[in-house]
Amino acid sequence: DVKVTQSSRYLVKRTGEKVFLECVQDMDHENMFWYRQDPGLGLRLIYFSYDVKMKEKGDIPEGYSVSREKKERFSLILESASTNQTSMYLCASRVPQSNEKLFFGSGTQLSVL
Amino acid sequence: EDQVTQSPEALRLQEGESSSLNCSYTVSGLRGLFWYRQDPGKGPEFLFTLYSAGEEKEKERLKATLTKKESFLHITAPKPEDSATYLCAPNNQAGTALIFGKGTTLSVSS
Repeated sequence: DVKVTQSSRYLVKRTGEKVFLECVQDMDHENMFWYRQDPGLGLRLIYFSYDVKMKEKGDIPEGYSVSREKKERFSLILESASTNQTSMYLCASRVPQSNEKLFFGSGTQLSVL
Repeated sequence: EDQVTQSPEALRLQEGESSSLNCSYTVSGLRGLFWYRQDPGKGPEFLFTLYSAGEEKEKERLKATLTKKESFLHITAPKPEDSATYLCAPNNQAGTALIFGKGTTLSVSS
């Protein structure tokens, strides 16, 4: 079975902290994505990566950065966490054909206090 | 600008009461429309991909259909375990990433 694993299920951080959200996939997928999901707003794309060391901004990249040093791992970084970054964060991966489906992780519910 | 709208936002059904969920989209050069199911506190789980108008796909009590402007997810004789949020996501010509609708939350009571 394909697997996308997000390191934390729940995370509580303080305003101003640097936060790392980790995602690992075991399917040798080139493409990886970070979304956030908020009630009433749906899923919004933060960043994506076509391959190792490549990254592209999505619709809402402000306040975030990413790292893709290895093919299987895609990290989302909140440089200085703020309360408006409290959200469910979802990682996904897929093969490098754009008409192929995404495989999602279980999500990380981040609360910034 | 690419857009996708799902309706209704929420739907309550009795067990066995069939209904349909709607996904209206405006994308440039559709390259597939995806349906996902999401349970509370979990990531979306893939259901179907439809690639061309007139295409239909079925899985248990679910059937997805596609026209040039809409997709429908038909639920026949639903059961309580079908309760979830259903997301549709068309993929545009650029194919960068899926454009997700806000979802329809389905509640099926016994």
